[in-house]
Amino acid sequence: GNSVTQMEGPVTLSEEAFLTINCTYTATGYPSLFWYVQYPGEGLQLLLKATKADDKGSNKGFEATYRKETTSFHLEKGSVQVSDSAVYFCALNAGGTSYGKLTFGQGTILTVHP
Amino acid sequence: KAGVTQTPRYLIKTRGQQVTLSCSPISGHRSVSWYQQTPGQGLQFLFEYFSETQRNKGNFPGRFSGRQFSNSRSEMNVSTLELGDSALYLCASSSTGGFSYEQYFGPGTRLTVT
Repeated sequence: GNSVTQMEGPVTLSEEAFLTINCTYTATGYPSLFWYVQYPGEGLQLLLKATKADDKGSNKGFEATYRKETTSFHLEKGSVQVSDSAVYFCALNAGGTSYGKLTFGQGTILTVHP
Repeated sequence: KAGVTQTPRYLIKTRGQQVTLSCSPISGHRSVSWYQQTPGQGLQFLFEYFSETQRNKGNFPGRFSGRQFSNSRSEMNVSTLELGDSALYLCASSSTGGFSYEQYFGPGTRLTVT
C-alpha cells in the first residue's frame, strides 16, 4: 500500500539555523506530494506541493523537490525563525481512485529557540 | 474567501452516544474529505464526498458515516461512541478532490468520549 515515512523528531534548532526534515514515500505510480504544517490548536495549513518528478515546491522560504529516483520529498529552509515552531507533515495523494485521500507521515515536531 | 469551517469546535460525549460533526467547505469547492487525528495513529483518512456521493472510504468501522448536501456542506456521524473515538476530527475541502489538487483544512472538532 501507499505510505509516507518522516524523520524521527522532535527537532530542536536555534534561530537562523538550517532546517531539513526528511520524507520518503512508497506508492504505485506517480503520486502528488505535499507538506503541511500544524500550529498548536489549529488545523493543517498547506505549505507547498509538487505534482511530478523534479518539481520544486516553495513557499515562505521552505522548499522541497520531488525526487522520483530516491522516492523522497525532503523539506528545507535556509534560516528558521521561532515562529516556524510547529508540527510538519509530509503527505501524498496516490492518484487513480484515491479521490480526496491524503496519506500522511507521522509528523515531525520542530522547536526553534531564540 | 472564507476558509473551511467546522462546528462545533469542542464536544464531550459519553460512551454509547452518537455525535454529528459539521463542515462547510470553501465556496466553490465540491470535494470534502474527513480525517481522524490521534496521538497514537496520527492522521487517518475517513472518507471523501463529491457532489453528494461518497467516492472513497478509509478503513473505519461502519459506526463512522457521512453525507454531503447539495451546497457541498458535509456532516459526519459517529454512532455508539467508544473511548477510542476521542480525537481531533478534521475536514478538508478541495475543488475536485483530484490527486494534484491541494486540500484546505478546517480547524477541527475536538471530540472527547468519557
